[in-house]
Amino acid sequence: LAKTTQPISMDSYEGQEVNITCSHNNIATNDYITWYQQFPSQGPRFIIQGYKTKVTNEVASLFIPADRKSSTLSLPRVSLSDTAVYYCLVSSGGGADGLTFGKGTHLIIQP
Amino acid sequence: GAVVSQHPSWVICKSGTSVKIECRSLDFQATTMFWYRQFPKQSLMLMATSNEGSKATYEQGVEKDKFLINHASLTLSTLTVTSAHPEDSSFYICSATGFRVQETQYFGPGTRLLVL
Repeated sequence: LAKTTQPISMDSYEGQEVNITCSHNNIATNDYITWYQQFPSQGPRFIIQGYKTKVTNEVASLFIPADRKSSTLSLPRVSLSDTAVYYCLVSSGGGADGLTFGKGTHLIIQP
Repeated sequence: GAVVSQHPSWVICKSGTSVKIECRSLDFQATTMFWYRQFPKQSLMLMATSNEGSKATYEQGVEKDKFLINHASLTLSTLTVTSAHPEDSSFYICSATGFRVQETQYFGPGTRLLVL
C-alpha cells in the first residue's frame, strides 16, 4: 500500500477555500485516491474519490496531477462545521482491501 | 445510499464480560466488512477483514480468539469482544463494501466501548 503524507494541521476562516495536499510518491497504477472526513466520536465519512485529473462532487473537488504522486482536496467556502480530521488514502483492489489510515490533517476553521 | 449502521453506539461493561457489536449495511449487500479500532487522538487501525460466509482475516497482533467476528449474511457482521479488559476500551468502527459500491468503503458511526 502506498504511504501518504499530509500536513498534521491547518487553520482557515469561514468562507475561504481550503486546499489540503497529500503526497503519495509510491502510488501504483491501479491505486485510487480517496478522502475521508472524521468528526470526533464518529466514523469516517466518504468525501471524494478519484484516479486522475479532476473530480468534483457537491462538497469538494479533487485534483490529481498527471504523475499522480500527489493529490489536493479542495473545500470551497468552508464553514465552522468543516472543522474535522481529513484523511487521504491510497488503495488498490477497489474497496476489497482494508485501509491504512495515516495521521490525517486536523483542519480548524475559525469565525 | 451506502449507509452502514452500528449497534450499540456505546456500551459500558465490567471486566471479564463479553460484548457484541453489530454492523449492518442498510441499503446494499456487503460482500466484505472491515473492523477498525481507534484510540483517543489516534488514527484508525484495521483489526480484521470479513467476507460473507468465510472466516475473518485478522491483522498482525490482533487476537482472533479475543475478537470474534461473524459475517453470516450480506448485511450483517458482528464483533464480539470476549473477556473484555480495560485496555480493550476503545472506539470500534466497521466499514463495508459490496456489489454496488465496489470502489470504496463506507463506515458506520462507531461504537464506544468502556470496560470498567
